[in-house]
Amino acid sequence: SAVISQKPSRDICQRGTSLTIQCQVDSQVTMMFWYRQQPGQSLTLIATANQGSEATYESGFVIDKFPISRPNLTFSTLTVSNMSPEDSSIYLCSVEDLRRNTEAFFGQGTRLTVV
Amino acid sequence: QKEVEQNSGPLSVPEGAIASLNCTYSDRGSQSFFWYRQYSGKSPELIMSIYSNGDKEDGRFTAQLNKASQYVSLLIRDSQPSDSATYLCAVNTGNQFYFGTGTSLTVIP
Repeated sequence: SAVISQKPSRDICQRGTSLTIQCQVDSQVTMMFWYRQQPGQSLTLIATANQGSEATYESGFVIDKFPISRPNLTFSTLTVSNMSPEDSSIYLCSVEDLRRNTEAFFGQGTRLTVV
Repeated sequence: QKEVEQNSGPLSVPEGAIASLNCTYSDRGSQSFFWYRQYSGKSPELIMSIYSNGDKEDGRFTAQLNKASQYVSLLIRDSQPSDSATYLCAVNTGNQFYFGTGTSLTVIP
C-alpha cells in the first residue's frame, strides 16, 4: 500500500484565517481525495484532486472555501479558507491507485480546531 | 436513501466471541467492497477488501459479500479488546467511494 504523509497533524487557528494541509504520497497514484470527518460522524467527501486541472467538488463544498492543488501525481494540498468554528473537524487525504487495485488508503489526518 | 447503511451500534461482545458487523448498499453496479477500522482519534485503516460473492478470510477476519442482496458483512472471530474501534463499510461504485456511518464495537475483557 502507498505511504501517505499528511501534515500538519493538528492545528488550532483563529477564525478568519486560512490553513493549508499537505498530502505527500511515496508513489504516483491516480486518484487523490479530500474528506472531512466531524466528531462521531462518518467521512464526507469534499473533493477529488485532479492532477493538472481544477478539483471536482461535491455538493456543499466550493473552491473559494476549499481551494485544492495537485501539481503532480504524488502531492496535493487542501486549504481551508476564512475559517469559522464550524470548520473544526478532521481533514483526511485519501489515495487510490487504479493501476493496481481499487483500494483507498488514508493519511494520518489533520485535526483542526478553529477558535 | 443512503448509498451505504450500517447499524451504528454500539455493539458489545465479550472477549473471545464472534463480532458480526453488517452493511447494505444501494448501487447494484458497485464492484468493490471494503471494511476499514478506525480507532478513536486515528484515520481509517483498511482491513479487508472483497470483490466477488462469497467469503474471504484473513486471519480472524472474514468478509462476506452477497451482491444479489446488496449485503456485505464482517465477522471477527476470537474478538480481542484491541478490536474495539469503529468499523466503516465502504463501497466503490467505479466513480466514487461511499462510506457508511460506521459501527462502534466494544470487546469486553
